[in-house]
Amino acid sequence: DAGVIQSPRHEVTEMGQEVTLRCKPISGHDYLFWYRQTMMRGLELLIYFNNNVPIDDSGMPEDRFSAKMPNASFSTLKIQPSEPRDSAVYFCASSPGLMNTEAFFGQGTRLTVV
Amino acid sequence: QQQVKQSPQSLIVQKGGISIINCAYENTAFDYFPWYQQFPGKGPALLIAIRPDVSEKKEGRFTISFNKSAKQFSLHIMDSQPGDSATYFCAASKGGGSYIPTFGRGTSLIVHP
Repeated sequence: DAGVIQSPRHEVTEMGQEVTLRCKPISGHDYLFWYRQTMMRGLELLIYFNNNVPIDDSGMPEDRFSAKMPNASFSTLKIQPSEPRDSAVYFCASSPGLMNTEAFFGQGTRLTVV
Repeated sequence: QQQVKQSPQSLIVQKGGISIINCAYENTAFDYFPWYQQFPGKGPALLIAIRPDVSEKKEGRFTISFNKSAKQFSLHIMDSQPGDSATYFCAASKGGGSYIPTFGRGTSLIVHP
């Protein structure tokens, strides 16, 4: 397996624009996580899915953020409208879940909102 | 509220030295404590992990020490090498059917040759 695949690797956008980040988890993994990494706050869990169903979105900072998982092999994180303070590295991770405890991370998307 | 507190924020060690990173947690329901290693431009990857039924776990040059009563755990890197230069995250999670890691803020380790 190629691991968790995220796209794009880098995204530069203007304030107010819509941004969509994409993730393909490892096949067979039941859990998918979206994290945001900043210098100030470290790794923050935004939302996670179990079997394509959102379980906990309490980490989503504002209504401008939304995430979907239409099927087991694809998830999106959308920011609309984007703001400069959204600039960060966004990671998607997946896990087999249950007693298997390792989260496998993608390489991240570096988002810059100018 | 930060559930896992990690220190120091940054650490500089000479080659061959010992690197020590400390973490403390608050939630006594946590029962799994992994450490992740992140190289620049990469996502974090699991390095080593421990459960609270043991006080120490060693894998090569990496050792986790765990103090359940103090709710603290630490990562020791023996004979630190320049290739160990990375950001290290401690994490904690609880079971009950899923293990969702809560991460510390990370420690940037630089090992000078």
